[in-house]
Amino acid sequence: AQSVTQPDIHITVSEGASLELRCNYSYGATPYLFWYVQSPGQGLQLLLKYFSGDTLVQGIKGFEAEFKRSQSSFNLRKPSVHWSDAAEYFCAVGAGFGNEKLTFGTGTRLTIIP
Amino acid sequence: AAGVIQSPRHLIKEKRETATLKCYPIPRHDTVYWYQQGPGQDPQFLISFYEKMQSDKGSIPDRFSAQQFSDYHSELNMSSLELGDSALYFCASSPLGQQGKYEQYFGPGTRLTVT
Repeated sequence: AQSVTQPDIHITVSEGASLELRCNYSYGATPYLFWYVQSPGQGLQLLLKYFSGDTLVQGIKGFEAEFKRSQSSFNLRKPSVHWSDAAEYFCAVGAGFGNEKLTFGTGTRLTIIP
Repeated sequence: AAGVIQSPRHLIKEKRETATLKCYPIPRHDTVYWYQQGPGQDPQFLISFYEKMQSDKGSIPDRFSAQQFSDYHSELNMSSLELGDSALYFCASSPLGQQGKYEQYFGPGTRLTVT
């Protein structure tokens, strides 16, 4: 069974600083990987996804993520955060067609300080 | 662009009552998923449907049932509600079958409070 670990429960970053949120997955084959963002009391918005091909994927809102098979990681990055980026970020893994359910990490809460 | 619609957005029920949550997927999406997110928790997969047939099942209690209808909307029926069922219930849809795209788009969720 697949699993996801997000080691950082809470991260605080100054506005304008760079950001990296960590995600490690466990799955025997090539996984389908996703990052979602959730504002308080809101739904989950898809930031970006990795299925295959180029290991550096670009998403919305200036986010990018890099798939590193050797490290079983899919870290999310942004060069300069904005106050509106404050939210909960979830990394998720799917096993592929026939087993499409997503398994989420426990999330990382991002706080932005002025 | 059209999004996933869930109704109601908020629901308050008492213990042992029954609740029905509805989900309307994005047009032309043929796959629906249900997730439960407890307070401060990550979303947990409950059940999914592809072309109106159950395709996968997670940690869904026997008190819960779901189905997908001919117009692809889905309903999650929850009976004998317990306090622990209080959570945010998400529906997601995917164009999996039609386009082979494997990505799920989430609705805003239904917040169920059991008192």
